[in-house]
Amino acid sequence: KQEVTQIPAALSVPEGENLVLNCSFTDSAIYNLQWFRQDPGKGLTSLLLIQSSQREQTSGRLNASLDKSSGRSTLYIAASQPGDSATYLCAVRDGSSNTGKLIFGQGTTLQVKP
Amino acid sequence: KAGVTQTPRYLIKTRGQQVTLSCSPISGHRSVSWYQQTPGQGLQFLFEYFSETQRNKGNFPGRFSGRQFSNSRSEMNVSTLELGDSALYLCASSLATSGSGEQYFGPGTRLTVT
Repeated sequence: KQEVTQIPAALSVPEGENLVLNCSFTDSAIYNLQWFRQDPGKGLTSLLLIQSSQREQTSGRLNASLDKSSGRSTLYIAASQPGDSATYLCAVRDGSSNTGKLIFGQGTTLQVKP
Repeated sequence: KAGVTQTPRYLIKTRGQQVTLSCSPISGHRSVSWYQQTPGQGLQFLFEYFSETQRNKGNFPGRFSGRQFSNSRSEMNVSTLELGDSALYLCASSLATSGSGEQYFGPGTRLTVT
């Protein structure tokens, strides 16, 4: 059974810092991995999607990497800003069935202080 | 292009009642998935529909059901509501016919059961 873990559960950093969020999964047979952002009481905003054949994806100040063999992904945020404060979720598309089912981690709540 | 829309945004129901939530996917998207989000359990997969057929189902009791219409709009129904059904219900749509596509989430419906 696929399980997704995110560490740390919460993180507080001063503005301007570069930071790394971690995501690990137990079964390397995945279709892809997607990082999301969620603001309090809101829906999920897709940040980056990495297919199983890819090693990394970049969008602006965000860079996500994927190492399937070790069951790990990292989300790197450069030059953090207060507007980056949110909960970040990673989710894997399970490779055991050809469907869209996502398995989520519990998230990392990020606070960027001005 | 309009995003995923969900109605209603907020709902208060009494234990024992039933409720229907609606989701309209992004135009052209044929896959719709539903998730339940609670503070204790996080995000859990409910079911996925593609071309009016349920393609996958999560581990929820039979009180939770759904359907998809020919225009890809989807509804989920919860009968005999329990206090534990209070949650944020999120809908996601995807363009890809397989499980490889990026998923886009709606703002959610906040259900409170009293």
